[in-house]
Amino acid sequence: AQSVTQLDSHVSVSEGTPVLLRCNYSSSYSPSLFWYVQHPNKGLQLLLKYTSAATLVKGINGFEAEFKKSETSFHLTKPSAHMSDAAEYFCVVSILTSGTYKYIFGTGTRLKVLA
Amino acid sequence: DAGVTQSPTHLIKTRGQQVTLRCSPKSGHDTVSWYQQALGQGPQFIFQYYEEEERQRGNFPDRFSGHQFPNYSSELNVNALLLGDSALYLCASTHPRRANYGYTFGSGTRLTVV
Repeated sequence: AQSVTQLDSHVSVSEGTPVLLRCNYSSSYSPSLFWYVQHPNKGLQLLLKYTSAATLVKGINGFEAEFKKSETSFHLTKPSAHMSDAAEYFCVVSILTSGTYKYIFGTGTRLKVLA
Repeated sequence: DAGVTQSPTHLIKTRGQQVTLRCSPKSGHDTVSWYQQALGQGPQFIFQYYEEEERQRGNFPDRFSGHQFPNYSSELNVNALLLGDSALYLCASTHPRRANYGYTFGSGTRLTVV
């Protein structure tokens, strides 16, 4: 069965330092993977997506993620954290069943950015 | 270009009551999915509608039902509300042939059951 595991429920970084949010996936075929961000009392915004093209994926707001099949990982990184990055981040795998796609979400990582 | 619109934004209901949540998909999208996000949890898939039919369903009881209209908008209905139904309900839309390229989510309806 397809699933994603977010290895950290909370991550704290100082402003201007690198961000690493970890995600491992389980899939019986080549998956499509996404990272979404959710700011307090807001909906989900797509940060980036991997759909079997380039393994290094660049997203919005300076975020990027690398798909590593050998490690079944899709970690999210950003070189320098900004205060506005403080939010909940979800790693998502898309699975195809009954001819349509649905999302399986990880449990989320809450990113705190310290001044 | 309007994104996904959900109404109402907040709702308070009493146990045993029924509730209807509404969603208008992004322009050009005709597939709508609903998710339940309990406090501190990731969203859980409820069901998906395409061509006015339920195409997929997650592990939710029959108290949760939905509908899609010819203009692609959708409703989520929950009967016999329980305290545990308190959550943020998210609607997401996409085009079926590009569904694997990402859904667009609305800001959600916060349902509180008292």
